[in-house]
Amino acid sequence: QKEVEQNSGPLSVPEGAIASLNCTYSDRGSQSFFWYRQYSGKSPELIMFIYSNGDKEDGRFTAQLNKASQYVSLLIRDSQPSDSATYLCAVTGGTSYGKLTFGQGTILTVHP
Amino acid sequence: EPEVTQTPSHQVTQMGQEVILRCVPISNHLYFYWYRQILGQKVEFLVSFYNNEISEKSEIFDDQFSVERPDGSNFTLKIRSTKLEDSAMYFCASSDGMHNQPQHFGDGTRLSIL
Repeated sequence: QKEVEQNSGPLSVPEGAIASLNCTYSDRGSQSFFWYRQYSGKSPELIMFIYSNGDKEDGRFTAQLNKASQYVSLLIRDSQPSDSATYLCAVTGGTSYGKLTFGQGTILTVHP
Repeated sequence: EPEVTQTPSHQVTQMGQEVILRCVPISNHLYFYWYRQILGQKVEFLVSFYNNEISEKSEIFDDQFSVERPDGSNFTLKIRSTKLEDSAMYFCASSDGMHNQPQHFGDGTRLSIL
């Protein structure tokens, strides 16, 4: 069973702080890694994707990938109350090319 | 910005009835997907579709489920005889490549089986 694991939280950070969200995956053949944001009752919204080891930055968001440790993370700098949502880690690749395997999500609360 | 559209937003159906959920993927995308999310649970893959055929399906996607691209724009998910446990949010997604390309999700259809 290919698994994606996230700490379900909730993770609470003050406004302006850095939020750090973590994800591990079991399929060593996984090739593509995605972070989605999901507000309550809404659909997943793509935030970041990363394919290679290292860091990838986009505005306030940084995705980090370490394939040797089978670990991917998302950092949110200068967190805002509007960032409060569930963050979903998803992976593809290995034996399943298009299929996204999701983690259970981490609930993030940014308090003023 | 192009988006995936899904209709209806909410569908209420009696158990045992057939239901069809509709999706219009992003126009230049070639790969289409259905996922579902039972309330409080993780998003689960159902099926992927490319070049007018199923590429991959999960164990959830049994004989009661089918997908179709009836024309150049729509992509449908049919559940033949709904069960109570089919109650969930159903998301359609599309991408312009297979495993390396991001999938963009529609707003979803909330399916409620009575």
